Amino acid sequence: ELKVEQNPLFLSMQEGKNYTIYCNYSTTSDRLYWYRQDPGKSLESLFVLLSNGAVKQEGRLMASLDTKARLSTLHITAAVHDLSATYFCAVDRDKIIFGKGTRLHILP
Amino acid sequence: DAGVTQSPTHLIKTRGQQVTLRCSPKSGHDTVSWYQQALGQGPQFIFQYYEEEERQRGNFPDRFSGHQFPNYSSELNVNALLLGDSALYLCASSRTGAAEAFFGQGTRLTVV
Repeated sequence: ELKVEQNPLFLSMQEGKNYTIYCNYSTTSDRLYWYRQDPGKSLESLFVLLSNGAVKQEGRLMASLDTKARLSTLHITAAVHDLSATYFCAVDRDKIIFGKGTRLHILP
Repeated sequence: DAGVTQSPTHLIKTRGQQVTLRCSPKSGHDTVSWYQQALGQGPQFIFQYYEEEERQRGNFPDRFSGHQFPNYSSELNVNALLLGDSALYLCASSRTGAAEAFFGQGTRLTVV
């Protein structure tokens, strides 16, 4: 059974700091996704990673994928308050399996 | 393009009742998946429909059933509602072979 584990589950950080969220998954997969969810809202697609070594960046967020290690990272550079949200990684193996999410709170 | 639309946005039902949630996929998408997201948890896969048939199913009881119509829209039905069925129900659509799935805004179901 495919399992997706994220850590940390909760993260409180100061504005301007850098941090990384980790996502491990248990079996091979075709695709890895990162989503953002604001309270009470739906999921916003951030990144789709398709191959080993893939790196994508959008603003202060950068995601990478190491399929050999079954690991993806979401790196936050110089965090700002607007990035406060819950971030999910998800792995696609015919169906999308989500991690439990990382609740990120950025302090002004 | 309206994107993925779900209706209703909010719903309150009584334990034991039945509910139907609806989803219209993004234009050009032929695959619809349903997820249940309990408060503070990640979305859990319920099932996926393609060509009007259930293609994949997660670990949900038979009380959860669905349907896909020729226009690719979909319904999720839940019978004999339990308090534990209270959650945000998300619909996602995709095009076969494409990398990305798009989520609707969800239906917040409260069972009292």
